[in-house]
Amino acid sequence: EIVLTQSPGTLSLSPGERATLSCRASQSVSSSYLAWYQQKPGQAPRLLIYGASSRATGIPDRFSGSGSGTDFTLTISRLEPEDFAVYYCQQYGSSPLFGPGTKVDIK
Amino acid sequence: QVQLVQSGAEVKKPGASVKVSCKASGYTFTSYDINWVRQATGQGLEWMGWMNPNSGNTGYAQKFQGRVTMTRNTSISTAYMELSSLRSEDTAVYYCARRADYYDSSGYSNPLLDYWGQGTLVTVSS
Repeated sequence: EIVLTQSPGTLSLSPGERATLSCRASQSVSSSYLAWYQQKPGQAPRLLIYGASSRATGIPDRFSGSGSGTDFTLTISRLEPEDFAVYYCQQYGSSPLFGPGTKVDIK
Repeated sequence: QVQLVQSGAEVKKPGASVKVSCKASGYTFTSYDINWVRQATGQGLEWMGWMNPNSGNTGYAQKFQGRVTMTRNTSISTAYMELSSLRSEDTAVYYCARRADYYDSSGYSNPLLDYWGQGTLVTVSS
């Protein structure tokens, strides 16, 4: 059974800074099955990235995804105030599996 | 536009059952699986299972086998998730989400949950 680990647990940054979030799988996963979601308090998750690197409709280009095999990264090039949230990676094998999340909060 | 609208908050006693609805609009209901995901307060996302609205076929996470039932009413484009034998640990926000397959530039299918309901808080308390 695949396990997803996300690091760091919390990332404290200022607006305008670059955020780099990591998602590591316990075994190799297909890039096609790796997605990232953003969740703000009181809201449902929102799809950001699919196929490890493709942005979903309406997602700003400051969000980018990369990686393959067991290591994947979500990068936010310049944090905007609305980007402070929790980010989950997800692997969609026989069923969806979510990582524990990384909280990006304001420093 | 695609929307999934869920039923309102519920308060249940331990041992009772809860049934949450998820009404779809803006797309052909029978063309996309509906998944259910829950989230306890301050915790991460936990997948519960899926249902194919066309066939009614279902698949449940092992943790919920025997306690969860997912059904649908295609005439009103609504999916349901019923959880029985509730305990305090089932207190959570329950989400429905549409499963879609996006095709990337290489032509590969990327399964994902692209639209989510607003969530339904289920509180289990004596």
